[in-house]
Amino acid sequence: QKEVEQDPGPLSVPEGAIVSLNCTYSNSAFQYFMWYRQYSRKGPELLMYTYSSGNKEDGRFTAQVDKSSKYISLFIRDSQPSDSATYLCAMSYERTGNQFYFGTGTSLTVIP
Amino acid sequence: EAQVTQNPRYLITVTGKKLTVTCSQNMNHEYMSWYRQDPGLGLRQIYYSMNVEVTDKGDVPEGYKVSRKEKRNFPLILESPSPNQTSLYFCASSLLGRETQYFGPGTRLLVL
Repeated sequence: QKEVEQDPGPLSVPEGAIVSLNCTYSNSAFQYFMWYRQYSRKGPELLMYTYSSGNKEDGRFTAQVDKSSKYISLFIRDSQPSDSATYLCAMSYERTGNQFYFGTGTSLTVIP
Repeated sequence: EAQVTQNPRYLITVTGKKLTVTCSQNMNHEYMSWYRQDPGLGLRQIYYSMNVEVTDKGDVPEGYKVSRKEKRNFPLILESPSPNQTSLYFCASSLLGRETQYFGPGTRLLVL
């Protein structure tokens, strides 16, 4: 079983839709949860990170962590064509200098 | 400008010819890491380093070497490249190696 599972999609939505992206994980020791956005032929860029459980909001983006269910989500409100990219979830442990674990990424297309 | 740089960006080589991909960061980060990204497999960590002269294996270290002689640089060495090392490689850095990472632009490697 992989440490982190992510539905690869592809996901296609109309402009203005609410998008929900999800990852599940198996290791309850993960404490830091990150979402990255990767445009074609570019390196991943950090969107948001969350420590432990709870919600975090930044503009149109909301990250949720449910540690009891080992489930994390990224919501995108009022989606725009510029949001078309691959979204990667990632996780790591509490201690410093540790390994990071990534999902395989979900490809999102927002249709104008 | 805070950034992670990689060179070269594109490389075509032949089986068995040693090569080095350089990585440098200007953010004074303690942690640096190398990943490879392959379709359907996502980002997989090759090696990471929390400090000068300290390196650890990630998920897929076979066939790769790294060295961390200076804080800002973390080169990836392929002593005898093989076609299964054809991939997109990313270098990343992080202040403490747990909550966030910043990625370079990527190096696309083709081994014939």
